Amino acid sequence: DAGVTQSPTHLIKTRGQQVTLRCSPISGHKSVSWYQQVLGQGPQFIFQYYEKEERGRGNFPDRFSARQFPNYSSELNVNALLLGDSALYLCASSLVISRGHPQYFGPGTRLTVL
Amino acid sequence: AQSVTQLGSHVSVSEGALVLLRCNYSSSVPPYLFWYVQYPNQGLQLLLKYTTGATLVKGINGFEAEFKKSETSFHLTKPSAHMSDAAEYFCAVTSGGGGGADGLTFGKGTHLIIQP
Repeated sequence: DAGVTQSPTHLIKTRGQQVTLRCSPISGHKSVSWYQQVLGQGPQFIFQYYEKEERGRGNFPDRFSARQFPNYSSELNVNALLLGDSALYLCASSLVISRGHPQYFGPGTRLTVL
Repeated sequence: AQSVTQLGSHVSVSEGALVLLRCNYSSSVPPYLFWYVQYPNQGLQLLLKYTTGATLVKGINGFEAEFKKSETSFHLTKPSAHMSDAAEYFCAVTSGGGGGADGLTFGKGTHLIIQP
């Protein structure tokens, strides 16, 4: 079975632009979460979605938004890009929304903001 | 709020030696704990998890971890290091927020170096 897939792999944008990142969860998984990993740091939680509803949000500004589609895939949008938004953006899926169920990560999208 | 502290940003061991990566957590609720490994330019791969029950947890690739509530620790070990174990290792705890929010709180990671 395919794991979590993300697109694009790499992306270069300039300050002030907007970006959309995409994620497809493991087949049968209904929850998708997004994380930001700045170079040299651990991932930081941005959002969690379950059954198309936002179920959790980390400490990120309103420039960050996301949505989940009926097929459980998800998009992360970032508006008004800043240099500090340069990072690896990771998507993770889990079967259900439960603390005990592990999250499985995709390979990430590397975003560079110039 | 939850937090994770990984002691040692870099750990170097010889091939065949014991691997010990330290993780201490802080949690206001009973924690669910995870170890992930990240190889260069890749996403995170789940090594093992602790939810409830047995405190010694076995994972993939010969790794195991022991949950010690009294020490608020969840250290990762492997009896004999292999060159392929060289990677970044992350300890994580669930946030366990209201409404079932299940965001993970990660430590800053430990870079494991294997000396031949």
